[in-house]
Amino acid sequence: SQQGEEDPQALSIQEGENATMNCSYKTSINNLQWYRQNSGRGLVHLILIRSNEREKHSGRLRVTLDTSKKSSSLLITASRAADTASYFCATGLNRDDKIIFGKGTRLHILP
Amino acid sequence: DSGVTQTPKHLITATGQRVTLRCSPRSGDLSVYWYQQSLDQGLQFLIQYYNGEERAKGNILERFSAQQFPDLHSELNLSSLELGDSALYFCASSVDGRVANTIYFGEGSWLTVV
Repeated sequence: SQQGEEDPQALSIQEGENATMNCSYKTSINNLQWYRQNSGRGLVHLILIRSNEREKHSGRLRVTLDTSKKSSSLLITASRAADTASYFCATGLNRDDKIIFGKGTRLHILP
Repeated sequence: DSGVTQTPKHLITATGQRVTLRCSPRSGDLSVYWYQQSLDQGLQFLIQYYNGEERAKGNILERFSAQQFPDLHSELNLSSLELGDSALYFCASSVDGRVANTIYFGEGSWLTVV
């Protein structure tokens, strides 16, 4: 089964609004990363947050991590049409060096 | 451009056949990962290599095998292909294969089994 599960599976919002995606995971992690995938393309790394960090920012992206709840959220502020993509969380496990991806959230920004 | 190169980009083959997917990691990266992405299963981790040695194994079928060569490029061999093997296969690389580092993805190889 997947280590990370994104929620919601799909999200449609108006351009300019904020988009929030969540990720829950099951086991102890070293870090959690978020990736973006445009349709049929490779995944692009967005941001990495370590298990001892609670929040991290990068441009219009804000990621939070709550290790007690085993969850993370990705906030994209002031969304743009170019943000339309699938977003994946990936967990780096402590017990080995596997990086396991969830099934992703499909984000659609409406003009 | 991530610097990870995958060939071929597209491949159509018949059931029962064998194919080889090739990956060149980013310059300086020692670790290579293979992932399979299908509509119903999401992005599945298959296998990871570090400097020629297998480091971690995921949901890789026995019909599939991989290796990393001394020049660090990697190949994923898929044999006795079934319709369900149709998917997008990604290679990714990282500097040392440690979980704390970012991994960089290629553009993938689209495999269609007919």
